[in-house]
Amino acid sequence: KAGVTQTPRYLIKTRGQQVTLSCSPISGHRSVSWYQQTPGQGLQFLFEYFSETQRNKGNFPGRFSGRQFSNSRSEMNVSTLELGDSALYLCASSTGTGWTEAFFGQGTRLTVV
Amino acid sequence: QKEVEQNSGPLSVPEGAIASLNCTYSDRGSQSFFWYRQYSGKSPELIMFIYSNGDKEDGRFTAQLNKASQYVSLLIRDSQPSDSATYLCAVNINRDNDMRFGAGTRLTVKP
Repeated sequence: KAGVTQTPRYLIKTRGQQVTLSCSPISGHRSVSWYQQTPGQGLQFLFEYFSETQRNKGNFPGRFSGRQFSNSRSEMNVSTLELGDSALYLCASSTGTGWTEAFFGQGTRLTVV
Repeated sequence: QKEVEQNSGPLSVPEGAIASLNCTYSDRGSQSFFWYRQYSGKSPELIMFIYSNGDKEDGRFTAQLNKASQYVSLLIRDSQPSDSATYLCAVNINRDNDMRFGAGTRLTVKP
């Protein structure tokens, strides 16, 4: 059974640019959650999508957005990149129903210069 | 008050000892609790989950839950150097999969 796949693994972008990250969940999972991880702030929840709808949202500015497709794959977009957006972006896959566990992808390391 | 709190450590134990990791959470409605292990430069890996009060054992790992005290712990018996990692406590704050994480406790097991 394939795991959670995130692409790309590494990205270097310039301030002001935008970036799109992709996450393919485990087959049969309908929920994808996105997290930002930095050394100072730990794992911060961005948002969660279930059946193409954003169901939960963390406290991030509107520059951070996402979407989910009918095959449950999800994308996250960050516009007008800032230096502080440099982080490891992780997505987590789960069934999305009930109080179930989540499984993480390998992450995308974003560096903004 | 943070939703999920952990001692940041670092926690250092000798090889073969018991490592005890603690976590408290603020939302009394939380029903499911998870421990993830994260090696440096890697993504978090699920090692234990617990839903009911009491203890749950899996090999060298034991998760303990006390909902009245809003407290979750992870015990690692016979600690090995390969257990050296950051351990993240996570809590589902609603049934719609809204999972929140603690800052993590860094564990070092010394040979």
